Amino acid sequence: QVQLVESGGGVVQPGTSLRLSCTASGFTLSSNGMHWVRQAPGKGLDWVAVISYDGSNKYYADSVKGRFTISRDTSQNTLYLQMNSLRAEDTAVYYCARFAGHTWDYWGQGTLVTVSS
Amino acid sequence: QSVLTQPPSVSAAPGQKVTISCSGSSSNIGNNYLSWYQQLPGTAPKLLIYENNKRPSGIPDRFSGSKSGTSATLGITGLQTGDEADYYCGTWDSSLSAGVFGTGTKVTVL
Repeated sequence: QVQLVESGGGVVQPGTSLRLSCTASGFTLSSNGMHWVRQAPGKGLDWVAVISYDGSNKYYADSVKGRFTISRDTSQNTLYLQMNSLRAEDTAVYYCARFAGHTWDYWGQGTLVTVSS
Repeated sequence: QSVLTQPPSVSAAPGQKVTISCSGSSSNIGNNYLSWYQQLPGTAPKLLIYENNKRPSGIPDRFSGSKSGTSATLGITGLQTGDEADYYCGTWDSSLSAGVFGTGTKVTVL
């Protein structure tokens, strides 16, 4: 069965970096586009980034463009989100989600990133 | 900021029906399939409706979706206490080249 497990969250200071991982099982990353979506405490869902099924296209929310990089390692079936120059407003639970057809059909359990001095 | 607009909250008694609206534009809802998600407290979003009106296996037919133009609606009939959750609509925005979600609606069972 499809499973997504995020890791790498934690408490970091503003201006520093963090890399999130999302390990997939039950399917291969090369078959689907993969997204990162975040949710600040008490707030709604906020789309962050996508990498296409073949890795050739990547798109980012304006709020993270130039600071975050989405990538993947198909040999490890793992998705990544490299987050640089972190800000307090990046504090959120970060979810990875599989895109199948026209929908985000499977989501991970999320990993919490707290940016605070 | 959310591109899709939903009412902040809806409520009804057990067994009753609620509807949740999701309003967007031609670049998102108007020209792309819409999905609905249920998020129970402390958990990840769960797919309820995809491609405007289809239910994944395991989702009861009490949940239904529809779309017309640049708006969509989620309906929940036979409301149960277990339906108390936040509900989000979501789709791709072709102009932004970005995913977009609704502002979220909290369903309360009275």
